[in-house]
Amino acid sequence: KQEVTQIPAALSVPEGENLVLNCSFTDSAIYNLQWFRQDPGKGLTSLLLIQSSQREQTSGRLNASLDKSSGRSTLYIAASQPGDSATYLCAVRPAGFQKLVFGTGTRLLVSP
Amino acid sequence: DAGVTQSPTHLIKTRGQHVTLRCSPISGHKSVSWYQQVLGQGPQFIFQYYEKEERGRGNFPDRFSARQFPNYSSELNVNALLLGDSALYLCASSLLPGVGSYEQYFGPGTRLTVT
Repeated sequence: KQEVTQIPAALSVPEGENLVLNCSFTDSAIYNLQWFRQDPGKGLTSLLLIQSSQREQTSGRLNASLDKSSGRSTLYIAASQPGDSATYLCAVRPAGFQKLVFGTGTRLLVSP
Repeated sequence: DAGVTQSPTHLIKTRGQHVTLRCSPISGHKSVSWYQQVLGQGPQFIFQYYEKEERGRGNFPDRFSARQFPNYSSELNVNALLLGDSALYLCASSLLPGVGSYEQYFGPGTRLTVT
């Protein structure tokens, strides 16, 4: 059974810092990994999708890496801003399944 | 283009009642999935539908059912509501299911409160 873990559960940083969010999964047989952002009480916004054959994806100040063999992904946020404050969720699509398996998220607070 | 839309936004029901939640996918998307997110947890997969057929089902009781219509919109039905069904219900759409890469796009969710 695929399990996804995100560390840390919460993170508080001052504006301008670079930061790394971690995601680990127990089964390396995945089609892809997706990072999402969720604002309080809202839906999910897709940030980055990494195919199983890829090592990383970049979008603006965000960079996500994937090491499938070790079951790890990181989301790097450069020059953090107060508007980045949200919960960040990692999800994998297990091979052979029509679903995403989510971690419990990292709640990020960026202070001005 | 409009994103994934869901209705209603909020809903309050009493234990034992029935509820229907609705979802319209992004134009051109043919696959719809439903997830339940309890406060403080990540979303849990309930169903996936493609071309009006169920293609995947999560570990939820038979009180949960869904269907997809010819226009690819979908309904999630929950019977005999329990307090534990209180959650944010999320709908996601994608172009196609199946092997390989596909990105899922989520709607704003329906907040269900069972009292």
